[in-house]
Amino acid sequence: DVKVTQSSRYLVKRTGEKVFLECVQDMDHENMFWYRQDPGLGLRLIYFSYDVKMKEKGDIPEGYSVSREKKERFSLILESASTNQTSMYLCASLGAPNEKLFFGSGTQLSVL
Amino acid sequence: DAKTTQPNSMESNEEEPVHLPCNHSTISGTDYIHWYRQLPSQGPEYVIHGLTSNVNNRMASLAIAEDRKSSTLILHRATLRDAAVYYCILRAQRPALIFGKGTTLSVSS
Repeated sequence: DVKVTQSSRYLVKRTGEKVFLECVQDMDHENMFWYRQDPGLGLRLIYFSYDVKMKEKGDIPEGYSVSREKKERFSLILESASTNQTSMYLCASLGAPNEKLFFGSGTQLSVL
Repeated sequence: DAKTTQPNSMESNEEEPVHLPCNHSTISGTDYIHWYRQLPSQGPEYVIHGLTSNVNNRMASLAIAEDRKSSTLILHRATLRDAAVYYCILRAQRPALIFGKGTTLSVSS
């Protein structure tokens, strides 16, 4: 079965730290996405990538950057973590435009 | 991106059919209607999608209004495992899916 793997299920970091969230997919998909999910706010798109080294901002990119050096891997970077970035982070990938989105299990990040 | 409107929550009993509505009055002709659901402590999973015609798969049915301004996700016989948040999303040319807050479905035995 298809797989989207996020490197950590739970992560605890301190304010000001640089944080890397990693996501790997094994489906040779062109498109990959990072969302964050907060109670009462649903899923919000942070960034997405439609090809290697290509990226586009989502609805809430502030405080985040991304890296896509290889097709299978999409990294979300918090340059200087802040407490308001405590959240569940979900990675997803997509093949052709009207195929289905596959999600990872999520990373619960706590910034103290 | 065109927006969707869903009820915040719905309740159902086990073994009964569930009809989850979605309004999308600003849908454009090329927008696909997608449904995803999110079980507790998991990432969202695909349920079904369609463009104009009604669609069926092993999980659910999708009924699309003739004017495409609304659609209904139908779970034919709800089980306790169907308790989840259900998202109705419009997919335009842009590959990204924009999720709303969805409908929280509760299923009672």
